[in-house]
Amino acid sequence: QITLKESGPTLVKPTQTLTLTCIFSGFSLNTSGVGVGWIRQPPGKALEWLALIYWNDDKRYRPSLKSRLSITKDTSKNQVVLTMTNIDPADTATYYCTHSWATPTYFDFWGQGTLVTVSS
Amino acid sequence: SYVLTQPPSVSVAPGQTAKITCGGDDIGGNSVHWYQQKPGQAPVLVVFDDKDRPSGIPERFSGSNSANTATLTISRVEAGDEADYYCQVWDRDSDDYVFGTGTKVTVL
Repeated sequence: QITLKESGPTLVKPTQTLTLTCIFSGFSLNTSGVGVGWIRQPPGKALEWLALIYWNDDKRYRPSLKSRLSITKDTSKNQVVLTMTNIDPADTATYYCTHSWATPTYFDFWGQGTLVTVSS
Repeated sequence: SYVLTQPPSVSVAPGQTAKITCGGDDIGGNSVHWYQQKPGQAPVLVVFDDKDRPSGIPERFSGSNSANTATLTISRVEAGDEADYYCQVWDRDSDDYVFGTGTKVTVL
């Protein structure tokens, strides 16, 4: 059974750096083809893909946010971390961690999401 | 950047068929995936690779994709199908995963 759970701050000040952690179970990021990603959803708005990291440490980023994003993995801890710099109120959203298989891909398992509010 | 356009809302009576479209330039050349999102919940994959269903998704959910429009069809609609639905593709030109604008399905 694949599960993913996001954790991180609920409130972040503008210009700060946001760090989100995804802890997963039921699969290994050492398995060929597997990827873990992040998708966000501003309140009342559509889904927006942010980043993906694959079993072979291949990393992909949303082109418009590439300069602000960093994704890393720790396979021994079954953990993926997303870092977003220079946070802005427009980054207020629910952030979801996702499981994928193969590339290019779809997102077949999702975490429950964590709401991050950016405000001074 | 690649844009996927969906109707904001679709209304359907119970037992009828709902069709949700997803328009994009030559979308027929892409694999399209569909997600269902109920209020306050995470999205759930309901169709992948245009027409395949994950385990546990009812056969009432089906998909098609051709030319400039992909379609998610929900047959014999139930009250529990009321949700937002999003299409998604991978844009090879920009290496970007793109979601549609979303469609709210209301069961009358």
